[in-house]
This record gives sequence, structure tokens and C-alpha cells, in this order.
Amino acid sequence: GNSVTQMEGPVTLSEEAFLTINCTYTATGYPSLFWYVQYPGEGLQLLLKATKADDKGSNKGFEATYRKETTSFHLEKGSVQVSDSAVYFCALSGGNTGNQFYFGTGTSLTVIP
Amino acid sequence: DAEITQSPRHKITETGRQVTLACHQTWNHNNMFWYRQDLGHGLRLIHYSYGVHDTNKGEVSDGYSVSRSNTEDLPLTLESAASSQTSVYFCASSSAGANVLTFGAGSRLTVL
Repeated sequence: GNSVTQMEGPVTLSEEAFLTINCTYTATGYPSLFWYVQYPGEGLQLLLKATKADDKGSNKGFEATYRKETTSFHLEKGSVQVSDSAVYFCALSGGNTGNQFYFGTGTSLTVIP
Repeated sequence: DAEITQSPRHKITETGRQVTLACHQTWNHNNMFWYRQDLGHGLRLIHYSYGVHDTNKGEVSDGYSVSRSNTEDLPLTLESAASSQTSVYFCASSSAGANVLTFGAGSRLTVL
């Protein structure tokens, strides 16, 4: 079946620290992979995506590379800011999922000044 | 600008009452979804629809129902609210064949 596993939180970092949030997936076919971000009191919004193996999605200084050989899509940012404090969700869709999305449980990030 | 709107944003109700959460999108998307978000569980799919008059059960559909009479709306009904249904509910939509979900701001439901 299809599933997404992401690292447990919460994660607390100092401003300008390096961020990695791990995400691995199980899927049949060739899904697209996503990172969504949820700021406090808001709905989820798309942060970045990658649609095929070796693609790199990037946005707002965040990056993630679709690694088919390790079934991973880890989120990274070189220097986090206080404004990056949010909950981050890894997700997959497409392939044999039809139009459905499968989400990880979310990782809460707090960045302190 | 196109948007997806949920109402009410906050609701408190009593056990056994019927509750309806509204979702309205102006993206003209065929696909609409309802999720609930709970600590430790992330997002879980309740019901979804791929078009008018189409509805399907997700992984946690017991106690919930939806109907799709037009493209824009997918209301979620709790027939007899239970305390276990206290949660934050998110509506989302996507166009047919596309694989990006657009989310509403959420509805926080408390069942006492």
C-alpha cells in the first residue's frame, strides 16, 4: 500500500541553524512527492513538490530531492528563521493512488531567536 | 481570486446533535476532500468526491456523511456528534488529473 513516514517532532532549532526533516515513503507506481506547511491557525499550503525521480523541489530556501533508490524526500534548509516555525507534512499522490493524497503525521518546528 | 472557504471556523456542540460543516470552493475543481487533523495522527481522510453526485468513503468515515450536488460545495455532516469527533476539520480540493491540493483554513469542532 501507500504510506508516508516522517521524523517525529517536535524539533527546536536556533535561528540560522541547518534543518533536516526526514521523510520516507512506500508506494506502487511513480507518485509525486510533496511538502506542505501549516502555520499556526491556518490550513496547509504547498511548500514544494517533485514529480519524478531525481527532481529537486525548492521554495523559500527549502529544498527536497526525490530519491527513488532510498524512497526518500527529505526536507532541508540551510539557515532557518523564526518565521519558519510551523508544522511540516510530507505527502505523496499520483502513481497508483489515483487522485488521493497520503500524508505523514507532521513535524512541528520551532525556531528560537 | 479563487478560494476555498470553510464555515463555521469554530463550533461547540453537544453530544448527539447533528452538525454540518460547510466547504465552498471557487476553483472549479472536480475533486474535493475532507480530512480531520488530530495530534499524533496527522491528517486522516474522511470522505472525498471526484465530481457532482460522486462520494466515497475514506479511512475514518464512520459517523460522517457528505453529498455533492454541485461543483462548488461539499458539506460534511456529523449525524450524531460524539466526543471522539472533537477535532480540526480541513476541506481541500484539486482539479482532475492535477496533483496539488488546495486547503481551506479549517473548522475547529468541539463536542461536549
